[in-house]
Amino acid sequence: GIQVEQSPPDLILQEGANSTLRCNFSDSVNNLQWFHQNPWGQLINLFYIPSGTKQNGRLSATTVATERYSLLYISSSQTTDSGVYFCAVALNYGGSQGNLIFGKGTKLSVKP
Amino acid sequence: NAGVTQTPKFQVLKTGQSMTLQCAQDMNHEYMSWYRQDPGMGLRLIHYSVGAGITDQGEVPNGYNVSRSTTEDFPLRLLLAAPSQTSVYFCASSPSGQGYEQYFGPGTRLTVT
Repeated sequence: GIQVEQSPPDLILQEGANSTLRCNFSDSVNNLQWFHQNPWGQLINLFYIPSGTKQNGRLSATTVATERYSLLYISSSQTTDSGVYFCAVALNYGGSQGNLIFGKGTKLSVKP
Repeated sequence: NAGVTQTPKFQVLKTGQSMTLQCAQDMNHEYMSWYRQDPGMGLRLIHYSVGAGITDQGEVPNGYNVSRSTTEDFPLRLLLAAPSQTSVYFCASSPSGQGYEQYFGPGTRLTVT
């Protein structure tokens, strides 16, 4: 099946620093989403980005589908950015289209 | 819109008991799914539905049943709870199963003793 690998697994930042999280996937996809799981366990949709570049405030994301990777950029990090960031993809062929496959996440800790 | 709602938020079961986790959405989405999240891992798909009356298995379906009698509701049943089913359960929905953003509920934290 498709593999989804996220790096780094853990990241510690000082408040105000910038960071880049990476998601590699092993097959052709028609859906790629980035989520933030906050310390209370809630999954928050950040980006739906099967291809191209999007920006939302201090966060931006780029997916290069032909090279099978996506990047999530966090600028001027804040303590509220702490939590786990998940990348999830869905295949664009076969009977299981639409079913998301998750990476194991990047755990981000932002220190004041 | 309330989005995707799940009840209960927390539940403790004894081994062998059964229960139903409720999931509802008010966005008229055709596609709904259930995932479980174990410590230190991403979410894994249990069951999914592409519309009322249609369900199928995901990656980890054993020990769970689902049905989809209406567009709005997609309950998950644990028939004989086991400690291995201790997990956090998330329900999700999207307009269609192909190429649409999925939205997740707040989760149900289940402990089986």
